[in-house]
Amino acid sequence: AQSVTQPDIHITVSEGASLELRCNYSYGATPYLFWYVQSPGQGLQLLLKYFSGDTLVQGIKGFEAEFKRSQSSFNLRKPSVHWSDAAEYFCAVGVGNTGGFKTIFGAGTRLFVKA
Amino acid sequence: DGGITQSPKYLFRKEGQNVTLSCEQNLNHDAMYWYRQDPGQGLRLIYYSQIVNDFQKGDIAEGYSVSREKKESFPLTVTSAQKNPTAFYLCASSIRPNTEAFFGQGTRLTVV
Repeated sequence: AQSVTQPDIHITVSEGASLELRCNYSYGATPYLFWYVQSPGQGLQLLLKYFSGDTLVQGIKGFEAEFKRSQSSFNLRKPSVHWSDAAEYFCAVGVGNTGGFKTIFGAGTRLFVKA
Repeated sequence: DGGITQSPKYLFRKEGQNVTLSCEQNLNHDAMYWYRQDPGQGLRLIYYSQIVNDFQKGDIAEGYSVSREKKESFPLTVTSAQKNPTAFYLCASSIRPNTEAFFGQGTRLTVV
């Protein structure tokens, strides 16, 4: 069965430090891959996506993610975290074909940023 | 401005009552989705629609119903058969089913 795992329920980093949020998926083929961010009580905003091509993708707000097929991973990174990055982050995979396509979300990782 | 509008933002209902959550988009997207979000569980798909007048059940459709009579609108009804309806509900749309989704601001439903 397809699934998405975000191993870290929450992470705390200092402002200015680097960040890496982990995401692993289970799917028989290469899925479409997404990272979204959610502020409390709000909807989700797309940070970046991977469909094909270069496995290192750049997103908004200085985020990037790298697709590693051998590890079934799509980890999100940022070199220097800002206090405004505190939010919940969701990894998602798109699976299926023209007969039926759906997006599966991970459980999320809540990021805390300390001064 | 284009986007997805969910209303209301907060909704309170008594147990046993049906309630309908509104979702409207002016992005001209074909696909629309309803998700339920509970703490620590991420987003779970309730229903989705890839085209007008067609929709499919997601992973947790029991106790919910939808309609897709217009491209712009995808209302969700939470029926009295839903045993634990208190949750945060998110509507989303995408240009096509296999592209990124755009989300509304959500409706927090509390059943008392």
